[in-house]
Amino acid sequence: ETGVTQSPTHLIKTRGQQVTLRCSSQSGHNTVSWYQQALGQGPQFIFQYYREEENGRGNFPPRFSGLQFPNYSSELNVNALELDDSALYLCASSLGLAGGHVSYEQYFGPGTRLTVT
Amino acid sequence: ELKVEQNPLFLSMQEGKNYTIYCNYSTTSDRLYWYRQDPGKSLESLFVLLSNGAVKQEGRLMASLDTKARLSTLHITAAVHDLSATYFCAVDIGRYSGGGADGLTFGKGTHLIIQP
Repeated sequence: ETGVTQSPTHLIKTRGQQVTLRCSSQSGHNTVSWYQQALGQGPQFIFQYYREEENGRGNFPPRFSGLQFPNYSSELNVNALELDDSALYLCASSLGLAGGHVSYEQYFGPGTRLTVT
Repeated sequence: ELKVEQNPLFLSMQEGKNYTIYCNYSTTSDRLYWYRQDPGKSLESLFVLLSNGAVKQEGRLMASLDTKARLSTLHITAAVHDLSATYFCAVDIGRYSGGGADGLTFGKGTHLIIQP
């Protein structure tokens, strides 16, 4: 069973550009959540996808958008990058409701370090 | 708005000592998570606490949850240098469908340094 993977590992972009980050969920997990972690802070919830639909959203502007694909992998897109978008972006997958049992555990990927200059 | 507060935010302690990290949260919840993060790394799940009075232990770490007080503690027994890391608590208030974990609200983390 493979864990959660993310790509790329590091990325440098210029203010105003757009970026796409990718996440492959742990096998069988149908829910993926994205978080932004600024240096020295706790992660902040961006949004969650469940079975290809946005299932909930934190306090982030619409220029943060996402997709979840039929294989449950996911993308985070950020438009019009700002300097404050520089952070570690983490995705986490969870199994949710499966076989009559609910699992609340979230498994985090290694993250993508985004630097905006 | 859900708020999660950890204290202390910084803790320097000697090997062999015991200490407790506290996590308070502002909204009713019975789902509390503890994570560990090493510098430059991702989050490692330590404990998931899902009911009032839940207690879990792994090695030198023990976590508990009091949902009435909206308080969780992470107790470190006889600390060793390898436990040096940043520890986060996070709360899930069951806002979303899907039957599984919510988007989590994290505390600011406790940066723990254990000195020989």
